[in-house]
Amino acid sequence: EAGVAQSPRYKIIEKRQSVAFWCNPISGHATLYWYQQILGQGPKLLIQFQNNGVVDDSQLPKDRFSAERLKGVDSTLKIQPAKLEDSAVYLCASSLSGGSAFFGQGTRLTVV
Amino acid sequence: GIQVEQSPPDLILQEGANSTLRCNFSDSVNNLQWFHQNPWGQLINLFYIPSGTKQNGRLSATTVATERYSLLYISSSQTTDSGVYFCAGPSGGGADGLTFGKGTHLIIQP
Repeated sequence: EAGVAQSPRYKIIEKRQSVAFWCNPISGHATLYWYQQILGQGPKLLIQFQNNGVVDDSQLPKDRFSAERLKGVDSTLKIQPAKLEDSAVYLCASSLSGGSAFFGQGTRLTVV
Repeated sequence: GIQVEQSPPDLILQEGANSTLRCNFSDSVNNLQWFHQNPWGQLINLFYIPSGTKQNGRLSATTVATERYSLLYISSSQTTDSGVYFCAGPSGGGADGLTFGKGTHLIIQP
């Protein structure tokens, strides 16, 4: 069974630029999450989707971050414009409606 | 959401030793998970354990929901067990997202 796929693996951008990350969850997983992990800390939930609807986006900085999950499968997370403090690993995870969460390898973003 | 506290923050052991990692949480949980983040950054789900005891090879976990803590046991440690172990509970608000602790950084020396 294929795991959670994410791309790109690494991205370096200048502040004020925009960037987008892509995630393909495990087949059949209705729930998809985006987490932000800053170096030395545990992951922090940004947004949760159930199929193509948003369940929780209370910790998403909506002035610069946006996410969508069209058709209830793949998802994209966008940052526009990026700030230096957005440097982190962005992790996508999926689950069968709230069970064990399975994580992708993440996208390491560096904002310079 | 709940508060999740993990201890110890750091642990250095020799290969073959046993260890116990602890996770305290501030409220009742219906979703408690343990993860291992390897040195390459991959997060691996170890246990989904809101209550009771589970075992998987050299690893086992116990959650005592009434006393709001969970323990992860690693026996006969191997160098490949090195990494950061995270405990995570529900973020609240009726959703299934997780709130993670700060982790226990485990180093197994040969």
